[in-house]
Amino acid sequence: GENVEQHPSTLSVQEGDSAVIKCTYSDSASNYFPWYKQELGKRPQLIIDIRSNVGEKKDQRIAVTLNKTAKHFSLHITETQPEDSAVYFCAAIRGTAGNKLTFGGGTRVLVKP
Amino acid sequence: GAVVSQHPSWVICKSGTSVKIECRSLDFQATTMFWYRQFPKQSLMLMATSNEGSKATYEQGVEKDKFLINHASLTLSTLTVTSAHPEDSSFYICSARDRDGDNEQFFGPGTRLTVL
Repeated sequence: GENVEQHPSTLSVQEGDSAVIKCTYSDSASNYFPWYKQELGKRPQLIIDIRSNVGEKKDQRIAVTLNKTAKHFSLHITETQPEDSAVYFCAAIRGTAGNKLTFGGGTRVLVKP
Repeated sequence: GAVVSQHPSWVICKSGTSVKIECRSLDFQATTMFWYRQFPKQSLMLMATSNEGSKATYEQGVEKDKFLINHASLTLSTLTVTSAHPEDSSFYICSARDRDGDNEQFFGPGTRLTVL
């Protein structure tokens, strides 16, 4: 099955700096890669996703890059703000109906004001 | 759109009792729902995949007789934790895929279970 590794497990940045989280996956058939933000005691919220036919996607301060050859994808947050502090999870899934998400271990991001 | 609800949001029960958690897709039909368990400071661990009208598919190591899943309609799946023990205390989260959508899963708000 799929295995997703996520690094780092914790990340502390100064407000205004950039944060980068990296994930690798094992199943070359995976073709959908969402990123979730989870605040304490809350549900995971989709913040951005990318499909395997795209190398990069950007949404305001958030961007995701995908390298299919190397089987890794990254989340980039620019101009970090204190409200970006949360746990971020990457995930991977095959595109066929009913297939399951495999999550990375999570990255706890702390943005210091 | 694409709202998933869970009920209850939290529950405290005595050891040995059973607890039922409901997961509903409010504005879409979901042929597939997923149940996750999340321990403190850990990732989401998939427990089972719930398919409408058929038996759930359980992940390795998850006891199907302990975690009963029923997906009787396109908008409702239930997870029953039978004979709960303190080690079952966790945050249980469901997600649902829109039958007419793509890969995106929509998560419920979670249920905090505490077994005394």
